[in-house]
Amino acid sequence: DIQMTQSPSSLSASVGDRVTITCQASQDISTYLNWYQQNPGKAPKLLMFDASSLEAGVPSRFSGSGSGTDFTFTISRLQPEDIGTYYCQQYDILPRTFGQGTKVEI
Amino acid sequence: EVQLVESGGGLVQPGGSLRVSCVASGFTVIGNHMTWVRQAPGQGLDWVSVIFSNGTTYYADSVKGRFTLSRDISENTVYLQMNSLRVEDTAVYYCVRGGANFDSWGQGTLVSVSS
Repeated sequence: DIQMTQSPSSLSASVGDRVTITCQASQDISTYLNWYQQNPGKAPKLLMFDASSLEAGVPSRFSGSGSGTDFTFTISRLQPEDIGTYYCQQYDILPRTFGQGTKVEI
Repeated sequence: EVQLVESGGGLVQPGGSLRVSCVASGFTVIGNHMTWVRQAPGQGLDWVSVIFSNGTTYYADSVKGRFTLSRDISENTVYLQMNSLRVEDTAVYYCVRGGANFDSWGQGTLVSVSS
C-alpha cells in the first residue's frame, strides 16, 4: 500500500494568515492526489483533485501543487470557516489511502 | 441535486453482522463508481471498499473476506454487508460517489461493535 504522510499534524494560525500543509507519498503517484476538508461534525468535502485543480465552487484562496512524491496545499488567507481537518488522498493505485490529517485551528 | 443517505448503523456484538445501506439520488449508482470510507472515533479516514460501474469490487485487507459490497440498480442503492465484526470496525461509515475522486459524501452512519 502507498503510505501518505502529512505535516504538520496540527497548526494554529490567525485569520488572514497563509497556511501550508505538506503531504508525502511513499512512492511516485504522479499528480494522482486529492485534498479534502472536514469541518467539525461534518462529512469530508473534496477541495482539490489532480494535485492542483480546484473543485467547482471552492474558493480560490485554496491551492495545491506538487507531483511525484511531494505535495503542498495552501490557504492563502485563512478564514474562520476554514477551521477543521485537511486530508490528502492518493488515487494512483488501490487501496486508496489517506494522510493522517492536519487539524487547522484559529 | 446529488444526495447520498446512509442507514442501518447501530450497536452490534463482536462476531455479529450488520448491513448498511446508501440510497443515492440525483445520479445512478450503475453509472458511477461507489466507495465506502470509514472514520473511527477521533481518527482519520480509512478506505474500505469500492464497486466500480462495471460491478467489480475491491476491499481493504482489513475487511477482505468479511465485508461484501453490492448494489441494487432498481433501488439505486448500494449495500455494505459486514460479517464477523470486530471492535476495531467501530466507525462512522460514509458512502461516497467516485472510485478515485470522492466528490459527494453521505452524512455517515455509526457502527459500534462492543460487548
